[in-house]
Amino acid sequence: DIQMTQSPSSLSASVGDRVTITCRASRGINNYLAWFQQKPGKAPKSLIYASSSLQGGVPSKFSGSGSGTDFTLTISSLQPEDFATYYCQQYDSYPLTFGGGTKVEIK
Amino acid sequence: EVQLVESGGGLVQPGGSLRLSCAASGFTFSDHYMDWVRQAPGKGLEWVGRTRNKGNSYTTEYAASVRGRFTISRDDSKNSLYLQMNSLKTEDTAVYYCVRVYDAAVDIWGQGTMVTVSS
Repeated sequence: DIQMTQSPSSLSASVGDRVTITCRASRGINNYLAWFQQKPGKAPKSLIYASSSLQGGVPSKFSGSGSGTDFTLTISSLQPEDFATYYCQQYDSYPLTFGGGTKVEIK
Repeated sequence: EVQLVESGGGLVQPGGSLRLSCAASGFTFSDHYMDWVRQAPGKGLEWVGRTRNKGNSYTTEYAASVRGRFTISRDDSKNSLYLQMNSLKTEDTAVYYCVRVYDAAVDIWGQGTMVTVSS
């Protein structure tokens, strides 16, 4: 199975900060990497697929990059509604696997 | 509006069975692969399994943790996805999400249904 390792597991940031979350795969997954946002008590929301493509309706402050084994999610200017937990997922091979999550909290 | 609505969750004893349903609307259900994803209380996301579409013979994939106990099926005439869960264990306690797959990636999530396995 492909292991997905996210870092950091949590971070504190201020409104307006630029935030970067990293996801590393245990072996190459081409660009088959997605990012999700989850707020407490809510279902996850899809943000990015194919490493860098935004899902419909997702604001451009979110961006993704990377290939092979190393990927990043960047939020260009953190807003109050962005405080949440973020997960990556590889969909290159079965079983599909998620990272452990990164909780973004208010500083 | 594209929507997925899960139902069927509840409390079940260890060793018991439960069938979850997911009603899809607002898109051509039959075209899409569909997944189940779960989340244990206070934990991260775990992929449960997938059903492909008719063009791919409705074949399925499962996580090792549920293979042989869970079965994913679909009824395209009813725009519905199902998860039959047998031999349930306490570690199957989770919110179960029905998700749509588009261009190989998950794009739409349902609101989830809670399954509690406890005596």
